[in-house]
Amino acid sequence: GAVVSQHPSRVICKSGTSVKIECRSLDFQATTMFWYRQFPKQSLMLMATSNEGSKATYEQGVEKDKFLINHASLTLSTLTVTSAHPEDSSFYICSASSWFSYEQYFGPGTRLTVT
Amino acid sequence: DAKTTQPNSMESNEEEPVHLPCNHSTISGTDYIHWYRQLPSQGPEYVIHGLTSNVNNRMASLAIAEDRKSSTLILHRATLRDAAVYYCILKSSPGSYQLTFGKGTKLSVIP
Repeated sequence: GAVVSQHPSRVICKSGTSVKIECRSLDFQATTMFWYRQFPKQSLMLMATSNEGSKATYEQGVEKDKFLINHASLTLSTLTVTSAHPEDSSFYICSASSWFSYEQYFGPGTRLTVT
Repeated sequence: DAKTTQPNSMESNEEEPVHLPCNHSTISGTDYIHWYRQLPSQGPEYVIHGLTSNVNNRMASLAIAEDRKSSTLILHRATLRDAAVYYCILKSSPGSYQLTFGKGTKLSVIP
């Protein structure tokens, strides 16, 4: 299957700082990328959907000014957590897909810890 | 989106078959049944999907009831590497539409 990478895999930051997470589709052009968040022992919750070249669509309750998403190319999307707080500590996972694909390809996830 | 219901957890002995059930009584005619699994501390991975007919691939088989109100994911010989949370998801369109994850079934494999 297609490969999606995320960087970094783990990050620890101090409260009030910003953190950028990159999601790359390595061997196909992703017309759509998704960002999920997963708290311990819970399921994945969709945060936003981004189409290449367009503004991201955020799910209800997700602050777009806090979680900045950029999908500037068909192979790269970034999620920036601005002014991070301890409650933002979570496992962030991206996925990528194309209009012709029945499958979503997930990245390995990024574990964010805010101290 | 139509809802799915799965048992919270299941156990299986290693090298035995596993049948993971999913109920989706409100499924619509255009909904595909997708299965993903998530190994510990990893992103989910696609397992299999189907519409009406039973499906097989190298990972698993998917048995779909004739009325499509339920389906079963079959792992023919469970290995320790199959220990994961398995999600049954209904999706009406390919690719570009988001997946809505429920709680899934946590499968434990006993050596």
